[in-house]
Amino acid sequence: NAGVTQTPKFRVLKTGQSMTLLCAQDMNHEYMYWYRQDPGMGLRLIHYSVGEGTTAKGEVPDGYNVSRLKKQNFLLGLESAAPSQTSVYFCASNTPSGGAYNEQFFGPGTRLTVL
Amino acid sequence: GQSLEQPSEVTAVEGAIVQINCTYQTSGFYGLSWYQQHDGGAPTFLSYNALDGLEETGRFSSFLSRSDSYGYLLLQELQMKDSASYFCAVRDGGNAGKSTFGDGTTLTVKP
Repeated sequence: NAGVTQTPKFRVLKTGQSMTLLCAQDMNHEYMYWYRQDPGMGLRLIHYSVGEGTTAKGEVPDGYNVSRLKKQNFLLGLESAAPSQTSVYFCASNTPSGGAYNEQFFGPGTRLTVL
Repeated sequence: GQSLEQPSEVTAVEGAIVQINCTYQTSGFYGLSWYQQHDGGAPTFLSYNALDGLEETGRFSSFLSRSDSYGYLLLQELQMKDSASYFCAVRDGGNAGKSTFGDGTTLTVKP
């Protein structure tokens, strides 16, 4: 049981390049989230999904797109990277049922630098 | 909008007790969570309070007062490994389980 995994762990992009971050969970969770964390700050929600095929905007969605084609995967895309998107990106998941409803399970993060 | 306030830094010595406060102003409120994050690591869940009162889990306890929009995390018998950032988070997303996080409190435990 790997929990939540993220690919890649590190990435350096040039301004204007595109990339996709992959999040995968093996806990059969319905809900998945993408956050960004800037130095000395908390987590800010980018997009989230309450189920396969559904996504919604969070607090800071501009410049990002997401897709949830399979329940276990949640992809975050940057179409044209900007230096302001330099951050650590965390994926999380949870389930609306059972004792784990109020706990979000986080992946190890992707450290992205945009030059 | 959503707003959570917590101190940016707290320092304490090994074996001591420390309290990290969190006040919030949110448009929706289902409960208050606490997460721990070690430097370079992922946040990990510590506790959740939906109702007023104190929840105890080992050395850690969490308190909530909904009428005061206030909660705290209490860490007892501090150990060096407790040095980390602690985030309060309001679950404000109803069925979506969404949470808004505070900016975190960096706890430094000294020998």
